[in-house]
Amino acid sequence: GQNIDQPTEMTATEGAIVQINCTYQTSGFNGLFWYQQHAGEAPTFLSYNVLDGLEEKGRFSSFLSRSKGYSYLLLKELQMKDSASYLCAANYGGATNKLIFGTGTLLAVQP
Amino acid sequence: EPEVTQTPSHQVTQMGQEVILRCVPISNHLYFYWYRQILGQKVEFLVSFYNNEISEKSEIFDDQFSVERPDGSNFTLKIRSTKLEDSAMYFCASMRPGNTEAFFGQGTRLTVV
Repeated sequence: GQNIDQPTEMTATEGAIVQINCTYQTSGFNGLFWYQQHAGEAPTFLSYNVLDGLEEKGRFSSFLSRSKGYSYLLLKELQMKDSASYLCAANYGGATNKLIFGTGTLLAVQP
Repeated sequence: EPEVTQTPSHQVTQMGQEVILRCVPISNHLYFYWYRQILGQKVEFLVSFYNNEISEKSEIFDDQFSVERPDGSNFTLKIRSTKLEDSAMYFCASMRPGNTEAFFGQGTRLTVV
């Protein structure tokens, strides 16, 4: 199967930096998405990596290593509103470009 | 900004009843998807739809499920005879050609009692 692994929960302090890791199976891999999901809401797009390296977008950055099957999402200057689940999702392409999601990492930002 | 819209936001139905979940994808998108998320679990792929036919479906998408694009704008998911375990959030998503970002609707919370 195409398993996506990420930690279940993390806790961090307001103003700090947190890194959420994700590993995936490399066979057939196209690209890696990160989504934010608040409880009871839809996933919202954060980032997409297809090439190796770091993509920076404001307080959020995402990194990909295709050879290692590894990605991380880096959140800087954490705010209370960043408390949410962060979903790692891999695109395995083919005819459909479907996404395979990890279980999500529930991030709790504390004062 | 264009968005994917889903109706209803919440549906309660009795076990064994048929439900139809509706989605209006973004107008210039050509790839359509249904995903579901059981409470506390991960988002799971159900089905993809392109060129007026199913392009891929998961093991979850059994004979009780069907999808349609009846009028060129709506994209529907039908569950013929709902079971308690069908209770979940159902998300519709769409994607335009040449792009790999899927835009998600706000979801329909289906509760089967």
